[in-house]
Amino acid sequence: DTGVSQDPRHKITKRGQNVTFRCDPISEHNRLYWYRQTLGQGPEFLTYFQNEAQLEKSRLLSDRFSAERPKGSFSTLEIQRTEQGDSAMYLCASSYISDRGHEQYFGPGTRLTVT
Amino acid sequence: AQSVTQLDSQVPVFEEAPVELRCNYSSSVSVYLFWYVQYPNQGLQLLLKYLSGSTLVKGINGFEAEFNKSQTSFHLRKPSVHISDTAEYFCAVSSNDMRFGAGTRLTVKP
Repeated sequence: DTGVSQDPRHKITKRGQNVTFRCDPISEHNRLYWYRQTLGQGPEFLTYFQNEAQLEKSRLLSDRFSAERPKGSFSTLEIQRTEQGDSAMYLCASSYISDRGHEQYFGPGTRLTVT
Repeated sequence: AQSVTQLDSQVPVFEEAPVELRCNYSSSVSVYLFWYVQYPNQGLQLLLKYLSGSTLVKGINGFEAEFNKSQTSFHLRKPSVHISDTAEYFCAVSSNDMRFGAGTRLTVKP
């Protein structure tokens, strides 16, 4: 297993367009997380899944954002009607739930630029 | 609710000098603590973690951190830094989800 992968690595879109990002977690991991990171800031939690269930969503996740993990494996994050403020790095992470913590393994991220 | 404060946004040091990156957290429940490093245009890589047990935790690349419950701190240290340690460092606290600090940019100068 090569770790968490994300596709695409870069996306440039025009304001108002829809975009979709994909995350493939480490295969045996049952938790998957999405974060947004803007320049000079730490990652901000957006949402997470345990298997296919979406267990928590941040207030940062407006109605234009939707995430799915239909079969409990890969996940998609869609942003509808993109705005310039959506420009950021979108990070995906996965973990295996256990009693010994929730160490998360991160993918390389998808950098979104909205023009 | 849990939160993390990284007390220094930038830390410049000379090569081979010691460094400490400070992190304070707040949480109403027991937490796990992490330090991640991020190199330019890359994802986050785990440096070390505190789950329980010994309060001094050793990680990769010669870094270590000490958990201090009374001071709610988890400061990261390295006795002698290299140019290659130049990166952004993030402290994080986790119970069910993970909250990150704003990051500390470590710049190692020759």
